[in-house]
Amino acid sequence: AQSVTQLGSHVSVSEGALVLLRCNYSSSVPPYLFWYVQYPNQGLQLLLKYTSAATLVKGINGFEAEFKKSETSFHLTKPSAHMSDAAEYFCAVSDKAGGYNKLIFGAGTRLAVHP
Amino acid sequence: SQTIHQWPATLVQPVGSPLSLECTVEGTSNPNLYWYRQAAGRGLQLLFYSVGIGQISSEVPQNLSASRPQDRQFILSSKKLLLSDSGFYLCAWSPGTGPQETQYFGPGTRLLVL
Repeated sequence: AQSVTQLGSHVSVSEGALVLLRCNYSSSVPPYLFWYVQYPNQGLQLLLKYTSAATLVKGINGFEAEFKKSETSFHLTKPSAHMSDAAEYFCAVSDKAGGYNKLIFGAGTRLAVHP
Repeated sequence: SQTIHQWPATLVQPVGSPLSLECTVEGTSNPNLYWYRQAAGRGLQLLFYSVGIGQISSEVPQNLSASRPQDRQFILSSKKLLLSDSGFYLCAWSPGTGPQETQYFGPGTRLLVL
């Protein structure tokens, strides 16, 4: 079965600094990978997804992620953090079980941005 | 455009009381629908999945049940709440069944069982 590991439950950066949120996956088939963001007391919003079209995926709000098969990673980056980026970020992999597709989520990484 | 609604936004219930959370989707037809639970400090756990009216798949045995009485309506229920049912409940929909399909999430319902 597929699984996702997010290294670092909390990440803190300064405003303007590089954001790097780590995600490693385990999959027996070519994976479909997703990054979602959750602001406090809200639902999840899709940032970007990898569907094998290109290894570097650009998303909303200046985020991007690179799929590296050799490292089984799909890390999320942003060159310059804004205060508004403070949120929780979830990496997910698509899994097929019982005849349907579902998302397997990592435990999440809470990003804090300080002035 | 498609929108997804959940209500109530917040709910405080005593142990042993019943529960009904509702989710509706607008602007699409025959969506796949999902119920997730997010416990404090943890990721999301898929509870139920539905590909059509009356078709419900359960991911884990628990105190909860789900129903889909209409194409774009998904209801999460319990006859008797437990303390462990507290959490943030998220409904989501996707347009298809492929592994590349994006799931779109509602605003969530925060449930506190006392």
